[in-house]
Amino acid sequence: GENVEQHPSTLSVQEGDSAVIKCTYSDSASNYFPWYKQELGKRPQLIIDIRSNVGEKKDQRIAVTLNKTAKHFSLHITETQPEDSAVYFCAASRPGNQFYFGTGTSLTVIP
Amino acid sequence: GAVVSQHPSWVICKSGTSVKIECRSLDFQATTMFWYRQFPKQSLMLMATSNEGSKATYEQGVEKDKFLINHASLTLSTLTVTSAHPEDSSFYICSARGTGDAEKLFFGSGTQLSVL
Repeated sequence: GENVEQHPSTLSVQEGDSAVIKCTYSDSASNYFPWYKQELGKRPQLIIDIRSNVGEKKDQRIAVTLNKTAKHFSLHITETQPEDSAVYFCAASRPGNQFYFGTGTSLTVIP
Repeated sequence: GAVVSQHPSWVICKSGTSVKIECRSLDFQATTMFWYRQFPKQSLMLMATSNEGSKATYEQGVEKDKFLINHASLTLSTLTVTSAHPEDSSFYICSARGTGDAEKLFFGSGTQLSVL
């Protein structure tokens, strides 16, 4: 089955700096890669996703890049704000299959 | 995004009792729902995959007789924790994958279960 690895497990950045979280996957058939943000005690919320036919996608301060050859994808958050502090999860999936989640990255944005 | 409703948000029960958690997709039909368990500061652990009208598929190590899953309609799945014990205390989250935007996965708000 699929194996998704996520790094780093914790990340602290100063407000205004950028944050980058990286994930690798093992199944070349995976073609959908979402990112979720989870605040303490709340549900994971989809913040951005990318499909395998696209190399990069951006939504305001958030961007995701995908390298299919190397089987890795990354989340980029620019101009970080304290409200960006949360746990972020990457995931990989293919049609009709379950979602495989990374182990999560706890992001702290220091004011 | 699509809305997935989960109830109750939290429940406290005595050891030996059963607890039912409901997961509803409010504005889309969910052919597949997933049930996860999450421990503090850890990732989502898939317990079972629930397809409408068929038996749930449980992950290895998850007791199907203890965690009963029913997916009776395209908008409702339930998880019943039977004869709950303190070690069952956890945060349980459901998620639903729609038929329209089939690849997207949306989560319920989670249920914090505390078994005394």
